[in-house]
Amino acid sequence: GAGVSQTPSNKVTEKGKYVELRCDPISGHTALYWYRQSLGQGPEFLIYFQGTGAADDSGLPNDRFFAVRPEGSVSTLKIQRTERGDSAVYLCASSLTVGPYEQYFGPGTRLTVT
Amino acid sequence: EDQVTQSPEALRLQEGESSSPNCSYTVSGLRGLFWYRQDPGKGPEFLFTLYSAGEEKEKERLKATLTKKESFLHITAPKPEDSATYLCAVHKGQGGSEKLVFGKGTKLTVNP
Repeated sequence: GAGVSQTPSNKVTEKGKYVELRCDPISGHTALYWYRQSLGQGPEFLIYFQGTGAADDSGLPNDRFFAVRPEGSVSTLKIQRTERGDSAVYLCASSLTVGPYEQYFGPGTRLTVT
Repeated sequence: EDQVTQSPEALRLQEGESSSPNCSYTVSGLRGLFWYRQDPGKGPEFLFTLYSAGEEKEKERLKATLTKKESFLHITAPKPEDSATYLCAVHKGQGGSEKLVFGKGTKLTVNP
């Protein structure tokens, strides 16, 4: 079956611009997670959703970052006033439900802020 | 503070040469430990979940084991196609958070 998909695969933007990153989870998965991965590091948690609501957004670095999942399926990560330090690979994952269960990752969006 | 430490950071093996990179964790209330494989430019690919000390999981040339303080990924007679970064992650689930906390990974290179 189809896995987690993310678009775009690459995004180059200028400092100060607004970007949106999209995640389409595996069909039927109620839990959705966003992580950020810098070069040579493991993924770092940003936020997760159970259904439509953000259950834990403690990993969002600051208020320039925001994520939504209005219908409980597709999610969008939004970054305002981008900074060069936001450059990283943004990974989305989904799992059947919340709990200590495997999370399946998408291919990621590589964001470069110039 | 919860920590996940993987060693070594990089591992070079000859084809057929076995090794066991390590993942140590300082997490209270562990609910699950996960191993992922990540190829360059791709997202992590799920390999194993371990839930309790003494548990083992196996897949082809890989076997993961778990103790109360660490996990090992035993790589037996590796092939060049096993070259990848192997990530370890822990799930706590305390305080309502369901996040995974990852280590930095072990980058494995298997030479033919």
